[in-house]
Order: sequence, then structure tokens, then C-alpha cells
Amino acid sequence: GENVEQHPSTLSVQEGDSAVIKCTYSDSASNYFPWYKQELGKRPQLIIDIRSNVGEKKDQRIAVTLNKTAKHFSLHITETQPEDSAVYFCAASIHGGYQKVTFGTGTKLQVIP
Amino acid sequence: EAQVTQNPRYLITVTGKKLTVTCSQNMNHEYMSWYRQDPGLGLRQIYYSMNVEVTDKGDVPEGYKVSRKEKRNFPLILESPSPNQTSLYFCASTVGAEQYFGPGTRLTVT
Repeated sequence: GENVEQHPSTLSVQEGDSAVIKCTYSDSASNYFPWYKQELGKRPQLIIDIRSNVGEKKDQRIAVTLNKTAKHFSLHITETQPEDSAVYFCAASIHGGYQKVTFGTGTKLQVIP
Repeated sequence: EAQVTQNPRYLITVTGKKLTVTCSQNMNHEYMSWYRQDPGLGLRQIYYSMNVEVTDKGDVPEGYKVSRKEKRNFPLILESPSPNQTSLYFCASTVGAEQYFGPGTRLTVT
């Protein structure tokens, strides 16, 4: 089955700096890669996603890049703010997000004011 | 308002006592899923359902059962809970591949 590895497990950045979280996946058939943000005590929420026919996608201060050849994808957050502090999860799915979805183990991001 | 609800939100029980965690969505979504979240392990899929009466195993189905008799409900059943099933459980409902998670159920099995 699919295996998703996520690094780093913790990340501290100064407010205003950029943060990068990286994930690798094992199944070349995976075609949908979402990123979720989970604030302390709350449910995960989708923040951005990318499909395998796209190399990069941006939404304001966040962006995701995908390298299908290397089977890795990354989340980039620019101009970080304290409210970006949370746990971030990447995920991969063969069926476009339906059926089986495999998550990474999470990255705890701390933005220091 | 789009909602996924779970009940109970917190539950402490004893080994072997059958329990059910309910999940309901009001968005008429066909696809629903159950996850457990454990420190350092992320979210692991237990079961998913693509429609009424259609369910399949995720990555960690052992010790769990599900049913999907109507589109809006997708209960998670632990027939004989054990301490290793102590975890935070999330139900999710999907549309357009975006998963909407419920608020979570924190289960402790002693």
C-alpha cells in the first residue's frame, strides 16, 4: 500500500520567515495530494491540494509543489504569522481523494513572534 | 451550514464493553471515512464508505466495524474494545475530494 513520509516533525521559524514541509510517497499511482492544518484541540481542515497533472499551486501565502518523478511534494508558507502555528499533515490518494487516503505523520509548526 | 457531527465527544469505557460512535453529515455526501489519530502516527484510515451499503477497509481496520445503512450516517462500532484502541477518532465526509472532518471523539479504554 501507499506510504507517506513527512519531514520535519517539528519546525520553529521566526515570524515573517518562510516555512517548508516536505513529504514523499511510495505509490506512483497516487494522483491527489492534499494538505491539512490542525490547530490545537480542533479538527483538521484542508488548506490546499494539488493533483498529479499540476506541478505547483498557490493560494496567497501558501503554495504546494509536486515532483512526480521524485515522488515528493512540499508545502511552502511565506511571511509566516503566529496564527500559522499548528500541526500540518500531508496526504496522498490514488483515487483522487476518494477511497483510501494515506496521511503523513504531521509537522508541528511554531511561529515565534 | 455544512456539518459533520460525532457523538459522544468524550468516552471512557472498560475493556470488552461494546460501544458505538455515531457520525452524521447533512451534506448528502456519498463518501465518508473514519480515522484514528495517535501522537507521532498522524491520521490513519480505519474504514471508508463510497455509498450506502458500500464499505471497505482502510489501513487499520482490525477491531472495528462500520455500517452504512443510510447516506447521512456512518457509525463506528467497537465490538470488544481494548486499551490499544484508546485514541482520538475523526469521522470525515468528502465532496470534490475535500474531506470535512467531524469534531472528534476522544476514547479511553481502561
